[in-house]
Amino acid sequence: AQKITQTQPGMFVQEKEAVTLDCTYDTSDPSYGLFWYKQPSSGEMIFLIYQGSYDQQNATEGRYSLNFQKARKSANLVISASQLGDSAMYFCAMRETDQTGANNLFFGTGTRLTVIP
Amino acid sequence: DARVTQTPRHKVTEMGQEVTMRCQPILGHNTVFWYRQTMMQGLELLAYFRNRAPLDDSGMPKDRFSAEMPDATLATLKIQPSEPRDSAVYFCASGEGVTSTDTQYFGPGTRLTVL
Repeated sequence: AQKITQTQPGMFVQEKEAVTLDCTYDTSDPSYGLFWYKQPSSGEMIFLIYQGSYDQQNATEGRYSLNFQKARKSANLVISASQLGDSAMYFCAMRETDQTGANNLFFGTGTRLTVIP
Repeated sequence: DARVTQTPRHKVTEMGQEVTMRCQPILGHNTVFWYRQTMMQGLELLAYFRNRAPLDDSGMPKDRFSAEMPDATLATLKIQPSEPRDSAVYFCASGEGVTSTDTQYFGPGTRLTVL
């Protein structure tokens, strides 16, 4: 089974509007971390936001917020007031500790967001 | 503004040649990760180190790939001999730890093309 599923290969949003990028995850580990990264056309991977499995509140970082629904195993990224510079690939990732004690970071396949002026 | 740096940014080489990619983690970070990104496979973890010691390199083809950390400020990923299927973007990332809550910060990547 996929550890991280991003079902939206591409999304379009009007400038200044909000957009939600979906992410579901699969783990039996009680302790895990959820991350979102942005990859613009330049290719770099930019860390955006983090949510811990034990965090009671949804994480927020400026215009980014993470809608964490633990029972549904979803960690959607919400970008408010979209800007043209938000056009990029967005990757959801999960980090867990496996049975050997190793920590692995699993990435989804990404969602390409295009902001329309 | 602390960042992970990687060199070279681009590398074009011929099949059979040795390729060495370098990474300087963020000062004070004690974990270093190597990833490979391709269109077909997405992002794959190749190996990672903690305090310069390899913790997991199960994602790395052992026969041709090797990863080392000669010191705390330098991590290297070597491919010998390189093959066209190794063409990808190789990312280095560093972090403060290996627990599930530790964030990894990525370098700009090395785009490798093997002809």
